[in-house]
Amino acid sequence: EADIYQTPRYLVIGTGKKITLECSQTMGHDKMYWYQQDPGMELHLIHYSYGVNSTEKGDLSSESTVSRIRTEHFPLTLESARPSHTSQYLCASSERETQYFGPGTRLLVL
Amino acid sequence: GQQVMQIPQYQHVQEGEDFTTYCNSSTTLSNIQWYKQRPGGHPVFLIQLVKSGEVKKQKRLTFQFGEAKKNSSLHITATQTTDVGTYFCSMYSGGGADGLTFGKGTHLIIQP
Repeated sequence: EADIYQTPRYLVIGTGKKITLECSQTMGHDKMYWYQQDPGMELHLIHYSYGVNSTEKGDLSSESTVSRIRTEHFPLTLESARPSHTSQYLCASSERETQYFGPGTRLLVL
Repeated sequence: GQQVMQIPQYQHVQEGEDFTTYCNSSTTLSNIQWYKQRPGGHPVFLIQLVKSGEVKKQKRLTFQFGEAKKNSSLHITATQTTDVGTYFCSMYSGGGADGLTFGKGTHLIIQP
C-alpha cells in the first residue's frame, strides 16, 4: 500500500458549513489529484496539481477549491457545503501515470 | 478529447467461471493502467501496460494491450469471491493529467 492519507474518513455536516478535506502523501510525488465518486459509480476528476503552486480544474465542475503550498499536502475546501456535495472524495498522487489512492473521505451534508 | 469505453458495466458470474472486461480508446495510447476497487474501498493499482501487444499475468489475472495500442482487456480465470469489486482501466494518451482518463468501470458480482 502507498503512503497517502486522508482525513477525516467520514464527515457529517450541516448545510452552509465550510469544510476542508485533508490529503497528504509521503512519497514525494509531484502530481496529485482529487476525484469525486458516488457509490458504485465512476471516478470524476475535479482537481489536479503538477506540483507546488500548481492547481487545475478537472473534467467535472466543482464548487470546491484546492491549494498546493507544499509537495506533500493537497487540501480541498468547500466554502459552503450543500446536500448535493454528498459523495466520496478520493485523493491520489502519482510520479508518472500510475496513481496511488488514499482511503477516501465520505461526506454527508444534511 | 479522448473517449474511453469500458464494457461491460456489470458482470454476474458463478464462482469458478471466467470474467473479462474490455477498454477501448478513440486515440492511440501511451500506456494503460488497471485498478481494482473493492466494495467500500478505494482503487488499488494492479498493473501498467506499455508495449504494443503486451501480455502480463498476475496469478489468475491476464492483462493484454492491443497491437494498435487502442484497447486492452483484463481476464480473470476461475473467479473467486475475493475477486468481487469494480475494475477500472486508466488510459494515458500523453500531455499531462489532461491525457489521463478512467473508464467507467466494470462491476464484477460473483454468485457462490
